[in-house]
Amino acid sequence: EPEVTQTPSHQVTQMGQEVILRCVPISNHLYFYWYRQILGQKVEFLVSFYNNEISEKSEIFDDQFSVERPDGSNFTLKIRSTKLEDSAMYFCASSEARAAGNQPQHFGDGTRLSIL
Amino acid sequence: EDKVVQSPLSLVVHEGDTVTLNCSYEVTNFRSLLWYKQEKKAPTFLFMLTSSGIEKKSGRLSSILDKKELFSILNITATQTGDSAIYLCAVRGSSNTGKLIFGQGTTLQVKP
Repeated sequence: EPEVTQTPSHQVTQMGQEVILRCVPISNHLYFYWYRQILGQKVEFLVSFYNNEISEKSEIFDDQFSVERPDGSNFTLKIRSTKLEDSAMYFCASSEARAAGNQPQHFGDGTRLSIL
Repeated sequence: EDKVVQSPLSLVVHEGDTVTLNCSYEVTNFRSLLWYKQEKKAPTFLFMLTSSGIEKKSGRLSSILDKKELFSILNITATQTGDSAIYLCAVRGSSNTGKLIFGQGTTLQVKP
């Protein structure tokens, strides 16, 4: 069964450094998402991406965050200058080409980001 | 503000028991409610519900939605140790981008 893949599984970075989290969505999917889950808290929406542009972003997704689809398969989340509070599990998700509201999102295994 | 609340937060049962997990929501322009199972890593999709009163079923798992009372339940019958996981409820609201709003999850532990 096709799946969303994320790399790396665990990233440890010094505060202030840039990180790039990578995702390969399911191949026929066209809607892409990033969520994060701080330890012990709810899964929170960060951003949705469709047709090579951001379609919605949350208040969390400030100027230090950016997303990109650099080629036909990868979808990346960049955090420019990491802070301690960015430590979390980051999930990538994708859904099919039909209307986003009618299709379930499928999640990757996540990247655990630890900021020191 | 859109909100999803799950109960109980945690539950311990023995194999063979039946459990009911609850999810209530307050969302502008509700579109759908989704249940996921999260073991060690990725939330795995279980059900998507859009209409009231229509039960979705997969093996020992079933779920139903009540759009009038704004809640959903997830039932697991004849529980097994492999059902131990966090069960997440998520709702799509007025956003047409598919954004999901999650509850805090119910941690289920099934003892042998």
